[in-house]
Amino acid sequence: GNSVTQMEGPVTLSEEAFLTINCTYTATGYPSLFWYVQYPGEGLQLLLKATKADDKGSNKGFEATYRKETTSFHLEKGSVQVSDSAVYFCALSELGPNNNDMRFGAGTRLTVKP
Amino acid sequence: KAGVTQTPRYLIKTRGQQVTLSCSPISGHRSVSWYQQTPGQGLQFLFEYFSETQRNKGNFPGRFSGRQFSNSRSEMNVSTLELGDSALYLCASRRQRGTNTGELFFGEGSRLTVL
Repeated sequence: GNSVTQMEGPVTLSEEAFLTINCTYTATGYPSLFWYVQYPGEGLQLLLKATKADDKGSNKGFEATYRKETTSFHLEKGSVQVSDSAVYFCALSELGPNNNDMRFGAGTRLTVKP
Repeated sequence: KAGVTQTPRYLIKTRGQQVTLSCSPISGHRSVSWYQQTPGQGLQFLFEYFSETQRNKGNFPGRFSGRQFSNSRSEMNVSTLELGDSALYLCASRRQRGTNTGELFFGEGSRLTVL
């Protein structure tokens, strides 16, 4: 079945450091890929998405490129801020017989220190 | 536009009791999904409702059930609560099913503690 594997955390960085959170997926067809972010005490909110190979999703300085050849969708940001501290989830959604739910990775907790 | 609203936000129950959680989706959204989030298991899919019918179900025991009303509002129920049911229960809505590009919009969750 479809699945998402993302790097385990926690990740601790200093402000202005470069961030990469790895995400790889397994899917039978052509899924859409997403990054969601969960700030403390809140639900998940969409950070960015890409719907086909080679698409780049971007938002708030974060970027991720849909790489079909490596089945990856790594999240990057050039200079993190304290306010980026949150849990990040990689997810995929694939049109299929079940037209089903989003499949989420385990989440990666990011802490950015001043 | 109002977001996804979940009630109650926090609740405490004891083992053996039952609980009902409510979710009001974004206006115009017809699909409602429920997720359980725990530190150990992460985000796990419970079920999805669309047009008052359960369309998909995750791997949870029958103690977990849900329903959807004609106005798309949804409830989930957990009977005979166990300590392991302590979790954040998240509701998410989207406009339609049948598309893999439709993002999910999440509520803030209902945090259930079972004592």
